[in-house]
Amino acid sequence: GAVVSQHPSWVICKSGTSVKIECRSLDFQATTMFWYRQFPKQSLMLMATSNEGSKATYEQGVEKDKFLINHASLTLSTLTVTSAHPEDSSFYICSARDLAGSGNEQYFGPGTRLTVT
Amino acid sequence: SQKIEQNSEALNIQEGKTATLTCNYTNYSPAYLQWYRQDPGRGPVFLLLIRENEKEKRKERLKVTFDTTLKQSLFHITASQPADSATYLCAPGNYGQNFVFGPGTRLSVLP
Repeated sequence: GAVVSQHPSWVICKSGTSVKIECRSLDFQATTMFWYRQFPKQSLMLMATSNEGSKATYEQGVEKDKFLINHASLTLSTLTVTSAHPEDSSFYICSARDLAGSGNEQYFGPGTRLTVT
Repeated sequence: SQKIEQNSEALNIQEGKTATLTCNYTNYSPAYLQWYRQDPGRGPVFLLLIRENEKEKRKERLKVTFDTTLKQSLFHITASQPADSATYLCAPGNYGQNFVFGPGTRLSVLP
């Protein structure tokens, strides 16, 4: 149980285009999902917290107009990188908190490798 | 501001030995601390959560301690195997707040 999927697993796009990444909780409901970014040999950095039915909460320094987050249902959150630039190339990982869970565990997706050329 | 440190960026040990990884935090009073495993190109996988009122927690070959006085958690893997090679991340946190990951320790278990 507690599986989180991401799609696509990797994507290459041209500078200036937009890319959408999906995060799904497959066997549980999640009112809260999180989006992280990880650069090579660095730890995960929280970008934003996605709440079902409401606006996302962005961490300091993350441009909300560039990284659009939509959490339309209890099992799906999407991250859209708008007008992507090469410096946006990174590993994007989502996680979800089980609505029925008793602890503070988060279940992570497998990640999406974004390369902007 | 809060700071999380993990003992070394990389740790090499011989197969069969016990690996000990350290997580230290400052300017922070977490109610719990989690440990995750991350393989290259993959998302983190939850391993253990220990609460501030728990001194020790075990799961198969894994053991975690949590010393709130020293502001430190130790993560042990006994009888280590090459398959244990991965990056291990600690993540102290408080309920109702987002937790923060440490920089990670890349463990290599040599056959």
